[in-house]
Amino acid sequence: RKEVEQDPGPFNVPEGATVAFNCTYSNSASQSFFWYRQDCRKEPKLLMSVYSSGNEDGRFTAQLNRASQYISLLIRDSKLSDSATYLCVVNQPTSGTYKYIFGTGTRLKVLA
Amino acid sequence: GAVVSQHPSWVICKSGTSVKIECRSLDFQATTMFWYRQFPKQSLMLMATSNEGSKATYEQGVEKDKFLINHASLTLSTLTVTSAHPEDSSFYICSVLQAYEQYFGPGTRLTVT
Repeated sequence: RKEVEQDPGPFNVPEGATVAFNCTYSNSASQSFFWYRQDCRKEPKLLMSVYSSGNEDGRFTAQLNRASQYISLLIRDSKLSDSATYLCVVNQPTSGTYKYIFGTGTRLKVLA
Repeated sequence: GAVVSQHPSWVICKSGTSVKIECRSLDFQATTMFWYRQFPKQSLMLMATSNEGSKATYEQGVEKDKFLINHASLTLSTLTVTSAHPEDSSFYICSVLQAYEQYFGPGTRLTVT
């Protein structure tokens, strides 16, 4: 089982739709969780950090379910500009230290 | 969040030459920086963790003698790809760690011919 798993997509949704992505992680001792967005041929940009049960920022909501070991990202009222790859990142203990493990990303295409 | 720059943004070099990439933290003193590599349609792969004033910690499978990392100050880390080969062509991205969050530089696209 991969340490951090995401559905690669692509998720094709119309403008205005609500879309949700899930990310599962294998290490129950993971401490912090992040969602990044990455545009084609660009660097990842931090979208949201999740330290407790969840976080909300405008149209974006992240939720953490420690019992089931997954983090979700909900995007409401999708815009064309939301089209990107969304990366889930988990900070987990590894060999006596903490490491940031990246998921492979979920591609979102918002269609006009 | 922290503002990070990288230089150069792209570079083309001949096989066998060395290339140095700079990563600068512009508004934050970064004790820890990370270096990643990303191949097309793949996720980021951590190459090494760079700690100011000490030796970098390399991930398994990353040759430390080929990818030289120097983190001599709290605002600058450099990655030198020595004797580059076409298979080293990739997108190299650095990040700085601020609290528990990573902020990435814009990346350097390396093409080795």
